[in-house]
Amino acid sequence: GQQVMQIPQYQHVQEGEDFTTYCNSSTTLSNIQWYKQRPGGHPVFLIQLVKSGEVKKQKRLTFQFGEAKKNSSLHITATQTTDVGTYFCAGLSGGYQKVTFGTGTKLQVIP
Amino acid sequence: DADVTQTPRNRITKTGKRIMLECSQTKGHDRMYWYRQDPGLGLRLIYYSFDVKDINKGEISDGYSVSRQAQAKFSLSLESAIPNQTALYFCATSELGLAGVETQYFGPGTRLLVL
Repeated sequence: GQQVMQIPQYQHVQEGEDFTTYCNSSTTLSNIQWYKQRPGGHPVFLIQLVKSGEVKKQKRLTFQFGEAKKNSSLHITATQTTDVGTYFCAGLSGGYQKVTFGTGTKLQVIP
Repeated sequence: DADVTQTPRNRITKTGKRIMLECSQTKGHDRMYWYRQDPGLGLRLIYYSFDVKDINKGEISDGYSVSRQAQAKFSLSLESAIPNQTALYFCATSELGLAGVETQYFGPGTRLLVL
């Protein structure tokens, strides 16, 4: 079945440093989504990318979808303590368009 | 998201007991999901339902069963709980829109401890 892996699993950064998490799928995706889960909370939708090579920005967050539609990345510029949490990618594919979540990257920001 | 509720929020049970986790939604979505979350393993799909008459196994359905009582309700049962089912369980809903656009809306989660 489809597998979606993320690296790194954990990342500690000093406040103000940049952060990137990478997502890789074993199969070609129709689209990819990103979610953020704050500590003690539930995953919340951030964004969806659909087109090959697509890049979208949300303030300090930049999302990219690979040309082959099998990988994606999330980059945070100048991290803040409010960025703390676990970031999940989720790939959509297959006849039933079922979503498969990645393993997640847990970000800790040191003030 | 307050539109998706889960009960109970926390539960402690013993090995061998039957447990039911309930999920209700007011979003009017046809699709509902049950996931479990374990450290380092992300969110793994247990069961999903695309409408009341459609229920499908996810990647880790063994030891679990589900019931879709209505469009708004999707319950997860552990017939005989075992310690490795200790986890955080999330219910989610979604609606497939135009061009395959689908966003999942998660409930607050149920933290289950099996002793």
